[in-house]
Amino acid sequence: DQQVKQNSPSLSVQEGRISILNCDYTNSMFDYFLWYKKYPAEGPTFLISISSIKDKNEDGRFTVFLNKSAKHLSLHIVPSQPGDSAVYFCAASAHSGYALNFGKGTSLLVTP
Amino acid sequence: GAVVSQHPSRVICKSGTSVKIECRSLDFQATTMFWYRQFPKQSLMLMATSNEGSKATYEQGVEKDKFLINHASLTLSTLTVTSAHPEDSSFYICSAREQGGYGYTFGSGTRLTVV
Repeated sequence: DQQVKQNSPSLSVQEGRISILNCDYTNSMFDYFLWYKKYPAEGPTFLISISSIKDKNEDGRFTVFLNKSAKHLSLHIVPSQPGDSAVYFCAASAHSGYALNFGKGTSLLVTP
Repeated sequence: GAVVSQHPSRVICKSGTSVKIECRSLDFQATTMFWYRQFPKQSLMLMATSNEGSKATYEQGVEKDKFLINHASLTLSTLTVTSAHPEDSSFYICSAREQGGYGYTFGSGTRLTVV
């Protein structure tokens, strides 16, 4: 049973524009959310996280928004760069330090 | 930052043999290690959680006698795939949580191919 869902398997964005990656979750016990970037045959690289007490967290070009009532979070990348092209995974845990539940990922392609 | 070293990065083995995958936390003590498996175009699926010095907790559907996990020290955890079969071919990734920390650090993954 997939508790974290990324319904868009792929996204293509022009360089300089905003990339918006979406994620939905079903478990109301989740209180810690993370985004990871992953290249083929490599481990995920941490990008940004947010706890349920916040609704926004920003780090440079990356901003994560959390809407608890909708059980939805999104990752905004602005401006998008070709080097951002990768698969992005949304992950959640019920408590910080517990195992992460991952979505299936969204493949982002940023074109020049 | 925290680094987890995972070896080997890729391995090809014959059906019926065993393969050991190692994950080492290089600059921190990992009280908890998580082992994931990823099939092509799928999400990372948790296989088991191990805490240093105690038995691993396996997720439903994961055979504990087939996937042996040892977490004997705060810096090393191993996953041994015993009597490997072609259906075990997958990408295996470990993730470590630092003692008292909040982050999760991933290894670089191991591509296992069983022929």
